[in-house]
Amino acid sequence: SQTIHQWPATLVQPVGSPLSLECTVEGTSNPNLYWYRQAAGRGLQLLFYSIGIDQISSEVPQNLSASRPQDRQFILSSKKLLLSDSGFYLCAWDSGVGTDTQYFGPGTRLTVL
Amino acid sequence: KQEVTQIPAALSVPEGENLVLNCSFTDSAIYNLQWFRQDPGKGLTSLLLIQSSQREQTSGRLNASLDKSSGRSTLYIAASQPGDSATYLCAVSSGGYNKLIFGAGTRLAVHP
Repeated sequence: SQTIHQWPATLVQPVGSPLSLECTVEGTSNPNLYWYRQAAGRGLQLLFYSIGIDQISSEVPQNLSASRPQDRQFILSSKKLLLSDSGFYLCAWDSGVGTDTQYFGPGTRLTVL
Repeated sequence: KQEVTQIPAALSVPEGENLVLNCSFTDSAIYNLQWFRQDPGKGLTSLLLIQSSQREQTSGRLNASLDKSSGRSTLYIAASQPGDSATYLCAVSSGGYNKLIFGAGTRLAVHP
């Protein structure tokens, strides 16, 4: 069966510090991968999606970047965090075949102080 | 631009009631619609997926319907239980590559 992991589970970082969040998927190959953010009082918003290694598309202009160095690994990064980067970050995957069910990871709670 | 709205924003009911949660979307050109459940501080659990060509899907006590032409979906929960307490999110895929656009959710509390 397929599983999706995210770490760390929680993170508290000062403004201006770098960020690296990791997501890995097991039990499938060549998945589509997604990063979403759920900010306080706001809905889930798609940040990045990837259909393959080194193929990343950004949905909204922001202070963040994403990379996919391996087929089942998706990384969210920032060089300098802003207060507005605080939120709950969720990674998701689907099979990449048609319009399949999307499965979400457990999330990372990021607080920028 | 696709927008997804969920009504009501919050709902509190006694155990055993049948519930209807509503979701509407502005652009009927969707590929699919998914209903998710989110427990506090947790990730999303997929409940039901309805393809654009389908009218409804059922899983246990859950039934989701889709009326694409009117831009509406409903999630029906039969015989609600305290364990059903969570936030329910509706999302549509309409921009290619299964990119999901979410509603703000309905926060459900089922009390014994």
